[in-house]
Amino acid sequence: GAGVSQTPSNKVTEKGKYVELRCDPISGHTALYWYRQSLGQGPEFLIYFQGTGAADDSGLPNDRFFAVRPEGSVSTLKIQRTERGDSAVYLCASSLAGGPSDTQYFGPGTRLTVL
Amino acid sequence: EDQVTQSPEALRLQEGESSSLNCSYTVSGLRGLFWYRQDPGKGPEFLFTLYSAGEEKEKERLKATLTKKESFLHITAPKPEDSATYLCAVQDTGRRALTFGSGTRLQVQP
Repeated sequence: GAGVSQTPSNKVTEKGKYVELRCDPISGHTALYWYRQSLGQGPEFLIYFQGTGAADDSGLPNDRFFAVRPEGSVSTLKIQRTERGDSAVYLCASSLAGGPSDTQYFGPGTRLTVL
Repeated sequence: EDQVTQSPEALRLQEGESSSLNCSYTVSGLRGLFWYRQDPGKGPEFLFTLYSAGEEKEKERLKATLTKKESFLHITAPKPEDSATYLCAVQDTGRRALTFGSGTRLQVQP
């Protein structure tokens, strides 16, 4: 079956602009996660959705970052007034959740470059 | 606060030369420890989940082990296609978020 998909694969924007990054999870997965990965580092947690609601948004760095999942499937990560420090690979993952084996499966990521 | 430290940062092996990667962790309560493989320009690919000290899992040339403070990823007779970054992550009880280490970049030369 299809894995996690993310669009666009690459996004170049200018400082101060608004961007949206999309994630389409594995069909049937109720949990969805966003992570951010800087060069040479491991992924850092941003936010976790269970269904339509954000169950844990403790990783969002500030109020310029916002994410939604209105129908409990596709999610959009929104970044306002982008800064050069926002440049990174944004990874999305999904899992079945609710059981002992909460394996998170990752998408290919969106590489965001803020000029 | 959960912490994960991986060593070495980089490792270069000759084909067939076995070795181990280390993942040291601190967590208030361990729900699971995860190993992922990441190729350049791609997302992390799931390898193993370990839940309790003493547990071991194997897949082809890879074997993961777990103690109360660290996990090892043993690579037996590696091949060039095993070259990748290997990431370790922990999941705390009561949270779904994964805390990752910085990874070990493995290069296997023919």
